Amino acid sequence: AQSVTQLGSHVSVSEGALVLLRCNYSSSVPPYLFWYVQYPNQGLQLLLKYTSAATLVKGINGFEAEFKKSETSFHLTKPSAHMSDAAEYFCAVSYSGNTPLVFGKGTRLSVIA
Amino acid sequence: DTGVSQNPRHKITKRGQNVTFRCDPISEHNRLYWYRQTLGQGPEFLTYFQNEAQLEKSRLLSDRFSAERPKGSFSTLEIQRTEQGDSAMYLCASSPGLAGGPGTQYFGPGTRLTVL
Repeated sequence: AQSVTQLGSHVSVSEGALVLLRCNYSSSVPPYLFWYVQYPNQGLQLLLKYTSAATLVKGINGFEAEFKKSETSFHLTKPSAHMSDAAEYFCAVSYSGNTPLVFGKGTRLSVIA
Repeated sequence: DTGVSQNPRHKITKRGQNVTFRCDPISEHNRLYWYRQTLGQGPEFLTYFQNEAQLEKSRLLSDRFSAERPKGSFSTLEIQRTEQGDSAMYLCASSPGLAGGPGTQYFGPGTRLTVL
């Protein structure tokens, strides 16, 4: 069975500060890992994905994540937060990109001017 | 690429009524997924299709729920005898399937169901 734990249901940062959203996963097989962003009343948009290639994955809007097998982590970072980054962020795990995703409960990011 | 579309975007119904949602995937995507998202939670998997074949159903999918994907194109999700606990956002996603390599699921905007 696979599972995802996102530490912190709400993270608040100042504009221009580092964004760090934490994700730990559990998987009995090498996982595929994803970060999605959701704006209010909208569907999910893919930020980035890890598919067993490079451990440092770069995504859209300046986000990146690093796969650390020894820590079973896939934390999402962005060097400098922008007001438009305020949204809900979900980490997800899957056996492949084509099998059902198991999501964490999400982290709401607030950006303070 | 017009993206995944879902209709209706919002549905308000009374308890006990039946509702049906439609999802149109990205063309040529042969896998289609349904998820349910309640307030403050991440999406939870309901069921998915490879072309017209329903490959897996979650235990969340009670016998009041049924999904179809005739001809492997659009899909419908029907809920019979709705209950207040069915109030949620219903999300549809599609992916290229095995032919597309590791794959990425692309999500539609969702249908928000409110059961009064």
